[in-house]
Amino acid sequence: DAKTTQPTSMDCAEGRAANLPCNHSTISGNEYVYWYRQIHSQGPQYIIHGLKNNETNEMASLIITEDRKSSTLILPHATLRDTAVYYCIVHGSSNTGKLIFGQGTTLQVKP
Amino acid sequence: DTAVSQTPKYLVTQMGNDKSIKCEQNLGHDTMYWYKQDSKKFLKIMFSYNNKELIINETVPNRFSPKSPDKAHLNLHINSLELGDSAVYFCASSLGTVSGNTIYFGEGSWLTVV
Repeated sequence: DAKTTQPTSMDCAEGRAANLPCNHSTISGNEYVYWYRQIHSQGPQYIIHGLKNNETNEMASLIITEDRKSSTLILPHATLRDTAVYYCIVHGSSNTGKLIFGQGTTLQVKP
Repeated sequence: DTAVSQTPKYLVTQMGNDKSIKCEQNLGHDTMYWYKQDSKKFLKIMFSYNNKELIINETVPNRFSPKSPDKAHLNLHINSLELGDSAVYFCASSLGTVSGNTIYFGEGSWLTVV
């Protein structure tokens, strides 16, 4: 599975959009981009995933560049409860199902 | 209803003991996983079972033995516990192993070996 690169940490003001970038320049054609988050002392929570097209659900939007080498997770109106570690994961080429987690981005939402 | 549930949530035990962590999923998934999160917070795959068959064993010591009595359960048994086994263990499941199948995690089991 392709490797991802994320900033170590980011801050966001409460009520503003949080834009979390991810680089995955070695992604292959059949690999999906997944986003999970881990709030302190909880299990990883699935947020959203996509292959080529932009995706939106009740939690977030995922913007994937046309060349698929990078993506951005957008939390449209960040709240204090969105403070967490966000993981961008490229998933799928090995077909064993496993996710390979990196260090993620620690997002701190501030009042 | 909790989709992926693990018990116990907290476990404190002495070195040398044998302990088990149980996991159950009610999602009808075929694939289940165990992940370990150590003190440095890195999440790493340990095992994966698909339809009760082992498909991933990520060089985990033989003291760790997963058991899948049926597709809905994947238990983790640990023999001769060591201090370094202290970690959070997460169970997870997915519909299958092909790309695009989302993996859902349980809330974790905090194991402390003293």
